[in-house]
Amino acid sequence: EPEVTQTPSHQVTQMGQEVILRCVPISNHLYFYWYRQILGQKVEFLVSFYNNEISEKSEIFDDQFSVERPDGSNFTLKIRSTKLEDSAMYFCASNREPPYEQYFGPGTRLTVT
Amino acid sequence: AQSVAQPEDQVNVAEGNPLTVKCTYSVSGNPYLFWYVQYPNRGLQFLLKYITGDNLVKGSYGFEAEFNKSQTSFHLKKPSALVSDSALYFCAVRILSGGYNKLIFGAGTRLAVHP
Repeated sequence: EPEVTQTPSHQVTQMGQEVILRCVPISNHLYFYWYRQILGQKVEFLVSFYNNEISEKSEIFDDQFSVERPDGSNFTLKIRSTKLEDSAMYFCASNREPPYEQYFGPGTRLTVT
Repeated sequence: AQSVAQPEDQVNVAEGNPLTVKCTYSVSGNPYLFWYVQYPNRGLQFLLKYITGDNLVKGSYGFEAEFNKSQTSFHLKKPSALVSDSALYFCAVRILSGGYNKLIFGAGTRLAVHP
């Protein structure tokens, strides 16, 4: 069964550094998403992406964040200058089209020190 | 404001007993509702969804959920719990915005099934 994959599984970085989190969505899916889950808190929407552009972003997704689909398979989330409060589990998700269920990757745990 | 509430932080149930994990929602328009499960150090796995049709929805691993429009609820149920069902369960609602969708999640309910 196809699944969403994410790399790395755990990333440790120093405050102020740039990080890129990578995702490979399910191949025939057209809509892509990033969510995050701060430890012990709920899963929060960050951004949705369709047709090579952002379709919606939350207030969390400020100028420090960007997303890109650099080729036909990868979908990346970049944080330009990380802060301590960016420490969280970041989940990538994809679906064929709304309103169908989104399939989530295993997540990348980002630790900012 | 559109939201999802899971009123219980934790649900404890004995193996073999029925389980219910509660979810209520507040959205404008017709709700599209989902349940996801998260095992330790794993991602979110889709369990089931309600989009339209029968109010009782069946999903993976023997789970089902009942959509109740008058009570704005979408409780997750299973007739006979297994120890392996112990995990974190999230209810989510699709929010439609500008033709695109995102999921709003509840805070999660930890299900503990005891032998």
